[in-house]
Amino acid sequence: DTGVSQNPRHKITKRGQNVTFRCDPISEHNRLYWYRQTLGQGPEFLTYFQNEAQLEKSRLLSDRFSAERPKGSFSTLEIQRTEQGDSAMYLCASSPGGGPQHFGDGTRLSIL
Amino acid sequence: AQSVTQLDSQVPVFEEAPVELRCNYSSSVSVYLFWYVQYPNQGLQLLLKYLSGSTLVKGINGFEAEFNKSQTSFHLRKPSVHISDTAEYFCAVTPGSGNQFYFGTGTSLTVIP
Repeated sequence: DTGVSQNPRHKITKRGQNVTFRCDPISEHNRLYWYRQTLGQGPEFLTYFQNEAQLEKSRLLSDRFSAERPKGSFSTLEIQRTEQGDSAMYLCASSPGGGPQHFGDGTRLSIL
Repeated sequence: AQSVTQLDSQVPVFEEAPVELRCNYSSSVSVYLFWYVQYPNQGLQLLLKYLSGSTLVKGINGFEAEFNKSQTSFHLRKPSVHISDTAEYFCAVTPGSGNQFYFGTGTSLTVIP
């Protein structure tokens, strides 16, 4: 299967801990996006990369959030000092240029 | 700035009946439009897209949508729904550059046997 892969699928952690999620996009896609989705809402844009360059960040992306795509392939999203409000589904998507985005199954984060 | 409005948060419909899920958008520039479906605990799957050309777009699973520029709408339709169509449906818009997608809040479609 050559779809977008996200790991882990679920993450449970205590408030204040750091967490890191990984996204492996479709190999020929140069754009990679991160979204956050809470219950009953649509995905909210967090940030996007074109190759290894992070070109846009949402105001939702506080200083505790950082994303990288060091070699223009996989990406990581790290949340430091997690808070209750960080509980959500974190979705990754990739696309070839500005075309339709292909989504992974997401990482569900639960903060205790 | 772009925004997407999905007026119906929940739509119950009987099996084999037709359905329409409404989507309106606002934008000051030309846009591309998409409909995605999301099943529980899964990511979003692309149903169909409008980039240019014919305003009637056909997608997977028998769905279609019509782009209406004057009404800034992109409603999703299916003539006969199945139980398996029960899911959350999201409308999305992106400006021509495709840098950022804006999603609506979703419509939960429930097909009743």
